Amino acid sequence: DSGVTQTPKHLITATGQRVTLRCSPRSGDLSVYWYQQSLDQGLQFLIQYYNGEERAKGNILERFSAQQFPDLHSELNLSSLELGDSALYFCASSEDTRVKQYFGPGTRLTVT
Amino acid sequence: GESVGLHLPTLSVQEGDNSIINCAYSNSASDYFIWYKQESGKGPQFIIDIRSNMDKRQGQRVTVLLNKTVKHLSLQIAATQPGDSAVYFCAETTTSYDKVIFGPGTSLSVIP
Repeated sequence: DSGVTQTPKHLITATGQRVTLRCSPRSGDLSVYWYQQSLDQGLQFLIQYYNGEERAKGNILERFSAQQFPDLHSELNLSSLELGDSALYFCASSEDTRVKQYFGPGTRLTVT
Repeated sequence: GESVGLHLPTLSVQEGDNSIINCAYSNSASDYFIWYKQESGKGPQFIIDIRSNMDKRQGQRVTVLLNKTVKHLSLQIAATQPGDSAVYFCAETTTSYDKVIFGPGTSLSVIP
């Protein structure tokens, strides 16, 4: 158990819909990262927050957004969902940037 | 995108043998490298890391080697066990940005 929690574990929704994925980092970790893992694209970095502020951006679509709240939990919002958004979404946390990250168990999103 | 398309190399080893997993990283400016292990249905798990001021780092049954000249990273697992069966990812990051770039992964299968 990494100490990072993600909810929900599974999510099935229809195209065009909007969903919110939630992540609680390890106690004391200030950085939260979001990743997408699909079969044809591997593990892709989406976005990072550090103590409530956006720190780095990767391959995140404009339809996707994220935020980190004062209690350090984070949410990833996915809107206008497409079939190709079906993937595993992982959250990771770390004490600071450029140190080892601890990954949560992931949320499996299926868009039908 | 920054993540390489997924053509997952596979490695099969006999239980008790040593395993060597290789990774070619993309950015000569990368200065921090991490190996992660991902078991089926789980999030990636930190194994070992190394910074660019080192060539070698050892952990418990694992050793990471870094060759900056040819931008190559390797993970050696001693006395491989069935529980080592997983996909192994290398990851890199640099001082110029905080996002982490993951390699495509290598699937390790241990034959009992």
